[in-house]
Amino acid sequence: EAGVTQFPSHSVIEKGQTVTLRCDPISGHDNLYWYRRVMGKEIKFLLHFVKESKQDESGMPNNRFLAERTGGTYSTLKVQPAELEDSGVYFCASSQGLAGNHEQFFGPGTRLTVL
Amino acid sequence: GEDVEQSLFLSVREGDSSVINCTYTDSSSTYLYWYKQEPGAGLQLLTYIFSNMDMKQDQRLTVLLNKKDKHLSLRIADTQTGDSAIYFCAFTSFGNEKLTFGTGTRLTIIP
Repeated sequence: EAGVTQFPSHSVIEKGQTVTLRCDPISGHDNLYWYRRVMGKEIKFLLHFVKESKQDESGMPNNRFLAERTGGTYSTLKVQPAELEDSGVYFCASSQGLAGNHEQFFGPGTRLTVL
Repeated sequence: GEDVEQSLFLSVREGDSSVINCTYTDSSSTYLYWYKQEPGAGLQLLTYIFSNMDMKQDQRLTVLLNKKDKHLSLRIADTQTGDSAIYFCAFTSFGNEKLTFGTGTRLTIIP
């Protein structure tokens, strides 16, 4: 079974440009999460989808970030326009969401560098 | 708000035990986790403990939870070179599935 995949693995863009990150969760997982780790600090929660609906987006830093999960399968996270402080590693995770099964499986992350 | 602290670095000789510590402030934590991140890889769940437990052992891994002091630790027995990684503690709170992470501890193994 394929794990969580993320694309691209690295992205280097200039301030003011737009970048779109993609996450493909494990097939059949209803829950999809985005996290990011900035400048070697702690990993922070961004948002949580249940199928195609946003369950919790309390961690989204501002309106330059837009996450979508059309059809409840893969998800995209767009940053527009990117700022220097957006640099970091963006992780995606998925879980089944069944009662008692709480493990979140993480992808390898996308390293975003904004110059 | 939540605050989870870990030491940034730990060096241990191969074959010794490693103890990675984590302190937190949120008393409503339900599940507490230890994740491992190897270079270039995602986060791998190592083990977890439910908040009504004090200890959990899984092969070379022992998790200790002191709820009174809000202290979580991970002990790795007979540390090997393959244990070199960053270790993150994390927890979820009741009714909330998002993970709150610590800063991560980079474990270095000395031959």
